[in-house]
Amino acid sequence: EVQLQESGPGLVKPSQSLSLTCSVTGYSITSSYRWNWIRKFPGNKLEWMGYINSAGSTNYNPSLKSRISITRDTSKNQFFLQVNSVTTEDTATYYCAREGGSRGTYYFDYWGQGVMVTVSS
Amino acid sequence: DIVMTQGALPNPVPSGESASITCQSSKSLLHSNGKTYLNWYLQRPGQSPQLLIYWMSTRASGVSDRFSGSGSGTDFTLKISSVEAEDVGVYYCQQFLEYPRTFGGGTKLELK
Repeated sequence: EVQLQESGPGLVKPSQSLSLTCSVTGYSITSSYRWNWIRKFPGNKLEWMGYINSAGSTNYNPSLKSRISITRDTSKNQFFLQVNSVTTEDTATYYCAREGGSRGTYYFDYWGQGVMVTVSS
Repeated sequence: DIVMTQGALPNPVPSGESASITCQSSKSLLHSNGKTYLNWYLQRPGQSPQLLIYWMSTRASGVSDRFSGSGSGTDFTLKISSVEAEDVGVYYCQQFLEYPRTFGGGTKLELK
C-alpha cells in the first residue's frame, strides 16, 4: 500500500526557511506520477504549492514560485519542500500527496497525515 | 488561475436527509475530449482529504453510491443522499484542467 508521511519542525520563526520531508513507502517516486505539496490554512482553504514528477521536473504555483523549492532524494524515496522568507501567513497544515490517475484523469489519491507548521517569533 | 467557489450548507443536516453542495468555476472545465475536469474530496475531522468523485461524476473506488456528482462546464453539484454520521466533514471541489490546481473554499457538513 502506498503511504506518505510528512516530517519537519512545527515552529518556524518569521523570515527563516521552512523545510519539510515527505517519506514515501509502497511506491517508488521515480516510477511515475507527480509528488505534490498542498497546504491547508486555518479556516479550511487548500492551496496547491507544487510538484516534482517522476523524472525530477518541478512545477510551482506562481503565487509561491519565488519562495519555494521542491527536491528529492531518490535513494531514500523522499521528496522535500523548502519555503523561504516565511511570514505568519505561511502558518498552515502541510500535506504531501500523490497526483495519480489514468486515461487523462488526475486526482490526489494518496495523502500524508499532514504536519502543522506555525510561523511565530 | 481558475477560481473555484463553493456554496454553504444549511447546517446542521438531519440524519437521513439529502444534502447538495454547489461549486462554480471561473472557467469552463469541459475538455475537448468531452470530459469535465472536476474532482470532489471529503476531509473528515482529523483526517486527510480523500477522493470521492473525479471527472465530475465518476465515483472513486470504494465510495458509497449515496454520493453523486453532476453539472455543466462551470456549475457543479455534489449530492449526498441519506446523510450519515460518517459524512460529516469538509467537502472540496478541485479542478484539474490546468495548473495551478485550485480548490474551492470548502463546505462544512454537520449532522443533526
